[in-house]
Amino acid sequence: DTGVSQDPRHKITKRGQNVTFRCDPISEHNRLYWYRQTLGQGPEFLTYFNYEAQPDKSGLPSDRFSAERPEGSISTLTIQRTEQRDSAMYRCASSLGGTGGDEQYFGPGTRLTVT
Amino acid sequence: LAKTTQPISMDSYEGQEVNITCSHNNIATNDYITWYQQFPSQGPRFIIQGYKTKVTNEVASLFIPADRKSSTLSLPRVSLSDTAVYYCLVGDIGGATNKLIFGTGTLLAVQP
Repeated sequence: DTGVSQDPRHKITKRGQNVTFRCDPISEHNRLYWYRQTLGQGPEFLTYFNYEAQPDKSGLPSDRFSAERPEGSISTLTIQRTEQRDSAMYRCASSLGGTGGDEQYFGPGTRLTVT
Repeated sequence: LAKTTQPISMDSYEGQEVNITCSHNNIATNDYITWYQQFPSQGPRFIIQGYKTKVTNEVASLFIPADRKSSTLSLPRVSLSDTAVYYCLVGDIGGATNKLIFGTGTLLAVQP
């Protein structure tokens, strides 16, 4: 257990439905990251937060994806109008912050299946 | 953006030293290089990070040549429990690029 929790652990939804995932980072961590990972591939960086600010959204696959971290702690990732290609493991990570890519602590992930 | 390339898999025996190389020809000036380990059904776990030359911690060493276009993770005396996928990660958060690029990973299989 890294101290980062995600909810739910599994989500099965029908195409066209909206889904929201939650990430609860380590409390003293300023940065929070969202990734998507498919079988046999490395994590794909989606976006990150520095406290409540979201400096870069360009990694989000489409405008159907959005993320929030309104109070600089818990974050949510929402996918609207889900498509089958959205099926993947969605992981969040948190870190203290600093230059470069500092040590990230990953949560267990939310596995999304779109039918 | 830096694209990373790693061998798909490697085999080793217990007690041997394992070196896994990652190529990142387009690495940017401010990018750091980080290596993660991932077991099945778990999230990646930090191993080591560096910017240039050599970094060593209690579990691994990281060698980065002067041109920084590649990096090598060295695991001394591997054991069966080191069987996992190893990823290199190149990027810079909070700086110029704000991107993190994971490689496709190297599956290390350690045999008795």
